[in-house]
Amino acid sequence: GQQLNQSPQSMFIQEGEDVSMNCTSSSIFNTWLWYKQEPGEGPVLLIALYKAGELTSNGRLTAQFGITRKDSFLNISASIPSDVGIYFCAGPLSGGSNYKLTFGKGTLLTVNP
Amino acid sequence: SAVISQKPSRDICQRGTSLTIQCQVDSQVTMMFWYRQQPGQSLTLIATANQGSEATYESGFVIDKFPISRPNLTFSTLTVSNMSPEDSSIYLCSVDPAGGIGAFFGQGTRLTVV
Repeated sequence: GQQLNQSPQSMFIQEGEDVSMNCTSSSIFNTWLWYKQEPGEGPVLLIALYKAGELTSNGRLTAQFGITRKDSFLNISASIPSDVGIYFCAGPLSGGSNYKLTFGKGTLLTVNP
Repeated sequence: SAVISQKPSRDICQRGTSLTIQCQVDSQVTMMFWYRQQPGQSLTLIATANQGSEATYESGFVIDKFPISRPNLTFSTLTVSNMSPEDSSIYLCSVDPAGGIGAFFGQGTRLTVV
């Protein structure tokens, strides 16, 4: 099946540091999505990527769609305490719309003030 | 964007009972989906709720265990039937947005089965 391998599983960083996490798959994806989930909430879409090689920013967040279409990374610059949460990568299930998604296992980010 | 309200936000239920979770959207949407997030795990798609027809279930999920209704374009329900402790999870509703970018999620229903 389509599996997304996300790393690292967790990160503990100091406020102000930059963060990088990535997602890989053995299958090709035509869309990569990055979500953030805070405790007690549903995931919130951060960045959507639709084209191989695409580099997209959203404030302090930057994400890239890998050239092979089998990987993506998310960078957070100058982290702040409110960046705490679980970050998930996601992509469309085979044969599905962009909305039927498969998710990676997530990266738990902790930011120490 | 879409505003999605789920009820209840959390519940503690006895094993063997059933719980119906409601998902209300503030605008008409074509497609609605139900996901499960087991403790400390990622999200897994349960089914697509189709308006006017039976839901489409993903591998490992069956209608008898997770019956779904979709009476109109703004509302859906998911029932977790004959619950066991293994059903303890967060259940999330998601919808397609008019802009076609990704999916919006409700805040989830945290279910604990004792």
